[in-house]
Amino acid sequence: DAKTTQPTSMDCAEGRAANLPCNHSTISGNEYVYWYRQIHSQGPQYIIHGLKNNETNEMASLIITEDRKSSTLILPHATLRDTAVYYCIVRPANQAGTALIFGKGTTLSVSS
Amino acid sequence: DTAVSQTPKYLVTQMGNDKSIKCEQNLGHDTMYWYKQDSKKFLKIMFSYNNKELIINETVPNRFSPKSPDKAHLNLHINSLELGDSAVYFCASSQGPVEQFFGPGTRLTVL
Repeated sequence: DAKTTQPTSMDCAEGRAANLPCNHSTISGNEYVYWYRQIHSQGPQYIIHGLKNNETNEMASLIITEDRKSSTLILPHATLRDTAVYYCIVRPANQAGTALIFGKGTTLSVSS
Repeated sequence: DTAVSQTPKYLVTQMGNDKSIKCEQNLGHDTMYWYKQDSKKFLKIMFSYNNKELIINETVPNRFSPKSPDKAHLNLHINSLELGDSAVYFCASSQGPVEQFFGPGTRLTVL
């Protein structure tokens, strides 16, 4: 079972920041937080991951609370193409070949 | 060039038939996976292979048999198809623990 809790859906205006929360209160010390998204009718796509420090890449930023029990994925300037289901996943570190355990995710709708 | 490709994209068949879905990755990855996404959009791992060896085999009916002829290919054969097998099947690959690359999916419809 997924170890994360996310809101079912969120809306965002185009050009604004989208902040997607995730609770993972039972996360273990050796587990990373991963974010993937699935655009309609496509395969899931990796976005970002982190352990305890905040992370940023060309797609998004990941803010992890100090106690690591929750995190927020930030899309700084959402576009219509960011409409997708976003999955927050916790996963052991440095274990190649482990599966991704998907929850229900958050459906983000970006509108103009 | 497509990193992870699957064929066919759509598969419509009758109950009781046997069918195969093929997956190929050109990323040089060691590990490949099959995931199933059911009608409620719930994604679940089925199998994982590392260097042609099975490392994950979730509770999947033995009518499903993965086959990895080489590191770049992981095929999924399904015997005696049932209505409940209708789903979208995704192949993925990875090198190391970080990012899994997914294929475009195969939509299987069993009539």
